This record gives sequence, structure tokens and C-alpha cells, in this order.
Amino acid sequence: NAGVTQTPKFQVLKTGQSMTLQCAQDMNHEYMSWYRQDPGMGLRLIHYSVGAGITDQGEVPNGYNVSRSTTEDFPLRLLSAAPSQTSVYFCASSYSRREAFFGQGTRLTVV
Amino acid sequence: DQQVKQNSPSLSVQEGRISILNCDYTNSMFDYFLWYKKYPAEGPTFLISISSIKDKNEDGRFTVFLNKSAKHLSLHIVPSQPGDSAVYFCAASDGGSTLGRLYFGRGTQLTVWP
Repeated sequence: NAGVTQTPKFQVLKTGQSMTLQCAQDMNHEYMSWYRQDPGMGLRLIHYSVGAGITDQGEVPNGYNVSRSTTEDFPLRLLSAAPSQTSVYFCASSYSRREAFFGQGTRLTVV
Repeated sequence: DQQVKQNSPSLSVQEGRISILNCDYTNSMFDYFLWYKKYPAEGPTFLISISSIKDKNEDGRFTVFLNKSAKHLSLHIVPSQPGDSAVYFCAASDGGSTLGRLYFGRGTQLTVWP
């Protein structure tokens, strides 16, 4: 019973490097989203998707790209990492606008 | 501008007493509200929710109250236990918006001491 799986759990990047945070869910949920959590800022929505092939921007999309080629996967790409992107990233999925299920998070440090 | 606000960043309560966490919202289109609990190094987990057609929902020690006219909701935990120590996030969804999109507050750190 995997739920929402995020990889990696920890990552250190140098400024300017690119990387992809992986997110996969096995619940056949249509809706998936990415959040970042920073101290005192709560959970801020980066990008979301309402189904395969459909994505849209959230509150803080700059510096991030997403795509949704399958129902199960929703990767988040950092194009050119910056220290301001140091954060904890959470992926979530849901089947309705009721409860969302979150992954364990990816702690990213950009130096 | 934040549409869901949790104005108390922290709350400290003695074990056995009531914990009351508050949340305010500004968007009158919000019609479904949720509370999430988050422990360190884990993802948030769903705790309890309430639809705008209700003013109260209970689940064991947890009760959520909704005051639509004041655009205010609160989470009551009775009795509080040390294991309840966590960050609590209030969230809301808009019945007319994209399926599944949630708007979160900044969270309240609850500490329950023995």
C-alpha cells in the first residue's frame, strides 16, 4: 500500500544545477500537486495537474516545470537551482476536492 | 494575499486540557474545510474536515466548528495528549474552482506538555 512516493528524500545541489524530483501515486487519483514548505510560510502550491496531459501554475511556479504524461507520475523539474529554492517539497494526490494524500517529502538544499 | 490565515504560530497546552486552534478565511467561495497534522520529517496527514452546510463535525477527540458568517473555523482537541504535539494546517477548497486545489494556512505548532 504505497500511496504517494517521493524520491529522493534528500538532495544537495549546487547553484545552477538542474534536477527532477519524482512523485508517483498508485491510487489512480486524477489530481496531483506540488507544494513547498518554508519556515513560517506554510504550504505553498507550486504546480498542479487535474489529469494526464493537463497542468497549471500555483502560487509560486517560477523556476519549476512539470509535466503529466501518465496518471501515476508527476515529476517536478528545477531548471537552474537557486539558493531560494532550498525548501522541503511535498507531492500530493487526491480523487476529489476532499482530502489530499501527501508524500514523505524531499528536503532540498541549494548551495 | 493569503486566503486562509492561521494567526497563532504556536500554542502550548497542558496534557488533559483542551487545545483550540483557530483559522480564518477571506474567500466566500470556500465551501469545504480541512485540518491536516504534520510531524517533523513526515508529510501532512488528513485529520478532519467539514462542509459549509454544517457547523460542527466530530471525530473522537477532534471537533471542528465552522462559523460561516465570521469566516472562521476552529479545531478543538479534547483531551489533549503529548502525541498531539505537531504542526496543524488549516486548508480550504472552492466548490467552483479546479478539482482538488487546496489553500493552506501557515500552520500552528501545538505543544502538549505533561
